[in-house]
Amino acid sequence: DAGVIQSPRHEVTEMGQEVTLRCKPISGHNSLFWYRQTMMRGLELLIYFNNNVPIDDSGMPEDRFSAKMPNASFSTLKIQPSEPRDSAVYFCASTRQPAMNTEAFFGQGTRLTVV
Amino acid sequence: TQLLEQSPQFLSIQEGENLTVYCNSSSVFSSLQWYRQEPGEGPVLLVTVVTGGEVKKLKRLTFQFGDARKDSSLHITAAQPGDTGLYLCAGANLGSNYKLTFGKGTLLTVNP
Repeated sequence: DAGVIQSPRHEVTEMGQEVTLRCKPISGHNSLFWYRQTMMRGLELLIYFNNNVPIDDSGMPEDRFSAKMPNASFSTLKIQPSEPRDSAVYFCASTRQPAMNTEAFFGQGTRLTVV
Repeated sequence: TQLLEQSPQFLSIQEGENLTVYCNSSSVFSSLQWYRQEPGEGPVLLVTVVTGGEVKKLKRLTFQFGDARKDSSLHITAAQPGDTGLYLCAGANLGSNYKLTFGKGTLLTVNP
């Protein structure tokens, strides 16, 4: 398996523009997570899907952020409009059915810079 | 919100030295995982501990889960430059559908 695939790897955009990050989870995994990583705040969970349904979006910072999972093999995280403080590395991770010792597999991340 | 505090935040040592990093919380976790992250990559799982007092060894790495399942430690013996990376602990609970909550990590640099 190719692992979790994220695109793009790097994105530089101007403040106010729409940004869409993409994720393909590992085939057969039922859960998908979007995380944001910064030096100041570490790895923060933004949203969590189980069987394509959003279970917990309490970490989504504000209405400018939205996430979808239209099917088991694809998810998007959209920021509209983007702001400089959104600059971070965004990770997607997938797991099998959640359990006590389930391993999370992470993609390589998308480094977003908003100027 | 369940928080995990990791210490130290940064650690720079010489090859061959031993070290211990810590992961502490005021909350009880069903399980705790340790991940290592290298620059430009996502975190990769090292180990999962689920029983209070549990000790697991992975070559030169020894992981311990506290008796009360609120804290954990990672001890590395005879560190090597290849151990350099960001070490993250993550806790999960049945009550939160096993979603992982991460600490901010310990950035370890092992100098040759």
